[in-house]
Amino acid sequence: DQQVKQNSPSLSVQEGRISILNCDYTNSMFDYFLWYKKYPAEGPTFLISISSIKDKNEDGRFTVFLNKSAKHLSLHIVPSQPGDSAVYFCAANSGNTGKLIFGQGTTLQVKP
Amino acid sequence: IAGITQAPTSQILAAGRRMTLRCTQDMRHNAMYWYRQDLGLGLRLIHYSNTAGTTGKGEVPDGYSVSRANTDDFPLTLASAVPSQTSVYFCASSDGASGESEVYEQYFGPGTRLTVT
Repeated sequence: DQQVKQNSPSLSVQEGRISILNCDYTNSMFDYFLWYKKYPAEGPTFLISISSIKDKNEDGRFTVFLNKSAKHLSLHIVPSQPGDSAVYFCAANSGNTGKLIFGQGTTLQVKP
Repeated sequence: IAGITQAPTSQILAAGRRMTLRCTQDMRHNAMYWYRQDLGLGLRLIHYSNTAGTTGKGEVPDGYSVSRANTDDFPLTLASAVPSQTSVYFCASSDGASGESEVYEQYFGPGTRLTVT
């Protein structure tokens, strides 16, 4: 069973608007969450992370929000740019082993 | 700095053949990982290694084996390929420093696209 779920396979937004990518998880023991970005024919690259002791982490145009009670996190991109068009994966750490569990990914398209 | 390199970039392989995907990192990271990416399933961990000389099974280890003879290299072997192993394979590494949050940040290679016919 998928412990980390991204229920929206795709999202399309207009340039300059906000993009909101969502992620749900089932394991309350997860204590660290990450977002990765992937362009076609490239490996995923780290984007932003958040510890379970926080509810928000911001890095430039990217903000991740964590709602532990709902087991839900989201990535906000403001303003969205065409170069943000990519597949976004959320991931959660499995204990303290360093192993990550990934969601299915959401393909973001930002239209000029 | 190259980071992580993978070879080959792509490969078409007949079912039943043996294949080794190569992965090399130059960051002196302790931990290394192999994932496969399939549409609708995201990235799934095949095998991992927390340090040279040790390996462990991930979520989907069947049909694959790994070795970690040194810090830099982490090859993935398909002993007898089957069509369900058609996928894009990513190698990753992380520093694995104990007590540091950055232990969870993994750096990925460019991937190997494997087609088993």
